[in-house]
Amino acid sequence: TQLLEQSPQFLSIQEGENLTVYCNSSSVFSSLQWYRQEPGEGPVLLVTVVTGGEVKKLKRLTFQFGDARKDSSLHITAAQPGDTGLYLCAAGGGSNYKLTFGKGTLLTVNP
Amino acid sequence: GAGVSQTPSNKVTEKGKYVELRCDPISGHTALYWYRQSLGQGPEFLIYFQGTGAADDSGLPNDRFFAVRPEGSVSTLKIQRTERGDSAVYLCASSLKGGSNQPQHFGDGTRLSIL
Repeated sequence: TQLLEQSPQFLSIQEGENLTVYCNSSSVFSSLQWYRQEPGEGPVLLVTVVTGGEVKKLKRLTFQFGDARKDSSLHITAAQPGDTGLYLCAAGGGSNYKLTFGKGTLLTVNP
Repeated sequence: GAGVSQTPSNKVTEKGKYVELRCDPISGHTALYWYRQSLGQGPEFLIYFQGTGAADDSGLPNDRFFAVRPEGSVSTLKIQRTERGDSAVYLCASSLKGGSNQPQHFGDGTRLSIL
């Protein structure tokens, strides 16, 4: 069973600060997805990374897939209160449609 | 709306009762997934449909859980003889086709509470 470990589990910061959250595993993945989930809602896909070493940017969010495709990071620049939420990483292997999710990082950005 | 719709949004029932949870996927999406999310956890895979057939039901915890998708669109997750440990948020997702690189679009879930 693939296991995704996310860190930190909780993060509380002030508006304007930068932050990085991590998603690590001992397994190799064909792709990795990042989702954000707000209370009472389903996860919303932010990005999919598929190539080792790949970097993708989405406004103030920067996603990186590790060279060995075993880990990923999400960096947020100048965090805003609207960034508050649970950030989940999810991975599939090969042709596996079945996503394995980490436990998530609960981010709170205080105004 | 154009998104994945799940009903009911909340369900409270007594231990031992039978429940049905419904999922309306995005129109045209052939792949449908059910996940279960407990407090403080990420979603856990339950079952995957490609069209009308359950391509993988390996995540169903036991034989009290069953899901159908008779016409390849709407799906129903059925739980018999509910137990308190079944309390969780049940999420449905759909994608245009199967495959782990396919974006999965989630509904807002059904929050199931077993008293």
